[in-house]
Amino acid sequence: GESVGLHLPTLSVQEGDNSIINCAYSNSASDYFIWYKQESGKGPQFIIDIRSNMDKRQGQRVTVLLNKTVKHLSLQIAATQPGDSAVYFCADFYGGATNKLIFGTGTLLAVQP
Amino acid sequence: EAQVTQNPRYLITVTGKKLTVTCSQNMNHEYMSWYRQDPGLGLRQIYYSMNVEVTDKGDVPEGYKVSRKEKRNFPLILESPSPNQTSLYFCASSSRTGRQYFGPGTRLTVT
Repeated sequence: GESVGLHLPTLSVQEGDNSIINCAYSNSASDYFIWYKQESGKGPQFIIDIRSNMDKRQGQRVTVLLNKTVKHLSLQIAATQPGDSAVYFCADFYGGATNKLIFGTGTLLAVQP
Repeated sequence: EAQVTQNPRYLITVTGKKLTVTCSQNMNHEYMSWYRQDPGLGLRQIYYSMNVEVTDKGDVPEGYKVSRKEKRNFPLILESPSPNQTSLYFCASSSRTGRQYFGPGTRLTVT
C-alpha cells in the first residue's frame, strides 16, 4: 500500500539556522502534497502545499521542494525561530470521493536558543 | 473567524458507555472527516463525509459511527467504547481543493 514517511523523527537546530525536514512518498500517482505543523495540544495547521506539476514553492520563510523522480519532498524553514518548534507532517492528498490525506508519522523540530 | 470546533476537548469514560464527540465548521465546507492520532501511527482517517447525508468509512472505522444531518455538523459516535479507542481525535473540513482545516482535538481516555 501507499505510505508517506519521514526520514528523521527528531530534528534539533539552533535558533537562526535553517531547517530541512524530509519526506518520502510511495504513490507515484500522487499529485498534491501538503505540509502541516502541529504544536503541542493543537490540531494540525496548514503551512504550504505543492502540486506535482511544480518542483518548488515558496511561502513566508518556508520552501517546499518536490522531486518526483525519487518521490521525495522537503520543507525548508529559513532562520528557524523558537515558535517553529512543533511536529511537522507531510501529507499526500487523495482527492476524488474521499478527499483523504495520508499522513506521515511526523518529525519533531526542536529549536535550541 | 473560520474555524472547526470540537467538544469536549477532554473526556474520560468507562468501557461500554456510549459517547458522542461533536464537530462543527463555519466555512460551508462540503467535506468533513474524523481522524485519530496515536503515537507512532500518525493520523488515520476514521470516517468521512462528502456532503449532507453522504458518509463513508475511512481506514479505521470499526467501533465508530457518524452522521451528517446538517452541513456544518459531523458528530462522531462511540456506541460501546473500549480501551483501544483511547486516542486523540481530530475533526477536519475542506472544500473540494483538498486543503483540510483541523479542529483543536479531543483527547479521549477509555478505562
